[in-house]
Amino acid sequence: KQEVTQIPAALSVPEGENLVLNCSFTDSAIYNLQWFRQDPGKGLTSLLLIQSSQREQTSGRLNASLDKSSGRSTLYIAASQPGDSATYLCAVLQGGSEKLVFGKGTKLTVNP
Amino acid sequence: DTGVSQDPRHKITKRGQNVTFRCDPISEHNRLYWYRQTLGQGPEFLTYFQNEAQLEKSRLLSDRFSAERPKGSFSTLEIQRTEQGDSAMYLCASSLGTGTDTQYFGPGTRLTVL
Repeated sequence: KQEVTQIPAALSVPEGENLVLNCSFTDSAIYNLQWFRQDPGKGLTSLLLIQSSQREQTSGRLNASLDKSSGRSTLYIAASQPGDSATYLCAVLQGGSEKLVFGKGTKLTVNP
Repeated sequence: DTGVSQDPRHKITKRGQNVTFRCDPISEHNRLYWYRQTLGQGPEFLTYFQNEAQLEKSRLLSDRFSAERPKGSFSTLEIQRTEQGDSAMYLCASSLGTGTDTQYFGPGTRLTVL
C-alpha cells in the first residue's frame, strides 16, 4: 500500500527566506507526482506536476524535484512571501490506478 | 474555462438525513474524481468516472455512499443515513483523461453532521 509522508508537518519562516519542503513515498511505481497548495477551508490548487520520467519542474519561484528510485521529492520555494502561507500537499498517482495518494501536508507560515 | 465548481459549498445536516452534492467538471474533461478530506489529513480517494462509467471505488465508499455521472457531464455524490463520522470536506476534481495529467480540484463541499 502506497504511503506518502511529508516533513515537516509545520514550518514558520521569515519573509525572504528560501525553503525546502520534503515528500517521501514508499512505492516507486508511480505515474507522476503533484504538488498542491491549499488555503484554509478551500480546495486544492495545482502547483507543479512531475512525470515519472522527469527529474524536476519549475514555475516561477517554485522548483520541484523527483527521485523516483529513492522515493523522494522536494519543493523548493525561493524568496518566500507572506502570500505563500498555506498548506502544501504532495500526491503521487499510483501505477495501475487512477487515484492520487496524498500526504498530510506541510503547513507553511511566512512571517512579514 | 471556468474551473471545477461544486454545490453547495457548505451543508449542515442532522444525523440520519440524506445529502447530495453536485460537481461540475471543467468542460471537455473526461475524468471526474471524488475525494474526502478530514481535518489535518490529506484528501483520500473515493471514486472516479471515465465519462459516465464509474471505474474505480475505494473501500471508503460504503454502501451508504453512491455516486453518479449521467451523460458524462456533472456528477452527484449522495450520502444516505449520514453519520457524524461523515463530517468532512468533499472534493471533486477533473482531468482531460490521459490518466497521467493534472487533476484540477474544485472548492469543495464542507459537510457537518450534527
